[in-house]
Amino acid sequence: ETGVTQTPRHLVMGMTNKKSLKCEQHLGHNAMYWYKQSAKKPLELMFVYSLEERVENNSVPSRFSPECPNSSHLFLHLHTLQPEDSALYLCASSQDVGVTDTQYFGPGTRLTVL
Amino acid sequence: DAKTTQPPSMDCAEGRAANLPCNHSTISGNEYVYWYRQIHSQGPQYIIHGLKNNETNEMASLIITEDRKSSTLILPHATLRDTAVYYCIVRGASGNTPLVFGKGTRLSVIA
Repeated sequence: ETGVTQTPRHLVMGMTNKKSLKCEQHLGHNAMYWYKQSAKKPLELMFVYSLEERVENNSVPSRFSPECPNSSHLFLHLHTLQPEDSALYLCASSQDVGVTDTQYFGPGTRLTVL
Repeated sequence: DAKTTQPPSMDCAEGRAANLPCNHSTISGNEYVYWYRQIHSQGPQYIIHGLKNNETNEMASLIITEDRKSSTLILPHATLRDTAVYYCIVRGASGNTPLVFGKGTRLSVIA
């Protein structure tokens, strides 16, 4: 257990559905992250939040909408996804966004878009 | 792009030391070397990081060459549960510096 939880662990959705992924960290960290890991591809950073403000958005399509209501919770709202968006979505947190701030990852949500 | 080069796969006998190499010939003076691993279908797990000096913790040791162009992660007594993909990541020291994961090394620990 890393102190970072994600729900749901598995999600199947159609292209017209709207769903949300949830991440919660119990570590008292100030920074939270969303990563995407597609099959046979390296992890890709999607979004970074520091003290509930988005500090990085790596050219992610608008069908992915993050929300960070407080420093312990991070959401990824999904709408009108494509089959190629099927992937493992990972949440991470760190004390701050500095280089020596270790990131701790959750178990991920396995998303399948039909 | 990842700034590191790792072999795609390695095998190690259970109980033996696993030595995972990483080349980072373009590393800058203020960049750290981080190691993570990912067991199948789980989130990456932090192992260790270092700047110049060798580092050791309860999981592993990190040996960084004097010129800092390469490093080796050592798992002293590999077990079957250490089978995973191991990522060597170079991370800058200025501002918001993300973790950039490459393809890593798939370590298979064999009984």
